[in-house]
Amino acid sequence: GAGVSQSPSNKVTEKGKDVELRCDPISGHTALYWYRQRLGQGLEFLIYFQGNSAPDKSGLPSDRFSAERTGESVSTLTIQRTQQEDSAVYLCASSLTGGVDYGYTFGSGTRLTVV
Amino acid sequence: KQEVTQIPAALSVPEGENLVLNCSFTDSAIYNLQWFRQDPGKGLTSLLLIQSSQREQTSGRLNASLDKSSGRSTLYIAASQPGDSATYLCAVRDDDYKLSFGAGTTVTVRA
Repeated sequence: GAGVSQSPSNKVTEKGKDVELRCDPISGHTALYWYRQRLGQGLEFLIYFQGNSAPDKSGLPSDRFSAERTGESVSTLTIQRTQQEDSAVYLCASSLTGGVDYGYTFGSGTRLTVV
Repeated sequence: KQEVTQIPAALSVPEGENLVLNCSFTDSAIYNLQWFRQDPGKGLTSLLLIQSSQREQTSGRLNASLDKSSGRSTLYIAASQPGDSATYLCAVRDDDYKLSFGAGTTVTVRA
């Protein structure tokens, strides 16, 4: 696609429910990243994919968070048993390779509100 | 651990004035630096990407400089417009994939 697409754009869920956030990267981009931005705070790195593998999951806050990527394309971030502190904007980005000469392209984000 | 600082945290200027946004980073061993714009409730839009070997990049009214040895970058926006109102984020790549972000400068351009 022309850009990075994320869905849903907004999600309100009850505490304790599971949610799935989806990211469609730019076609041909092998590197994919998830970041989180809490209200009024900076971006926190969550996870990095190169192809379908995740060499770095170090930013995932707890074992309630997981992510997968299939077909070197779509990625899904799953949050189980959501808590109020999970409320944030979840941003996905992709880049042409995992190399260092290419910038990131971000999606518009999914705003998650846990009530 | 890389620390990225953006000063000022907020800036309000009348329309037509030039904007100067500052970014500093603690580890000068970076691969590149990227400036982004974020509108309220939206994702990030890339403005300029400067490779470590470059001193500046320009796009329209935007110019970004990079002094890697001193750990500084400056984003200049000429002849500001109300549509330039947004939060501007600086991010450095000092790993082979991960970006470290500053907290941003929130700009308001008054008509």
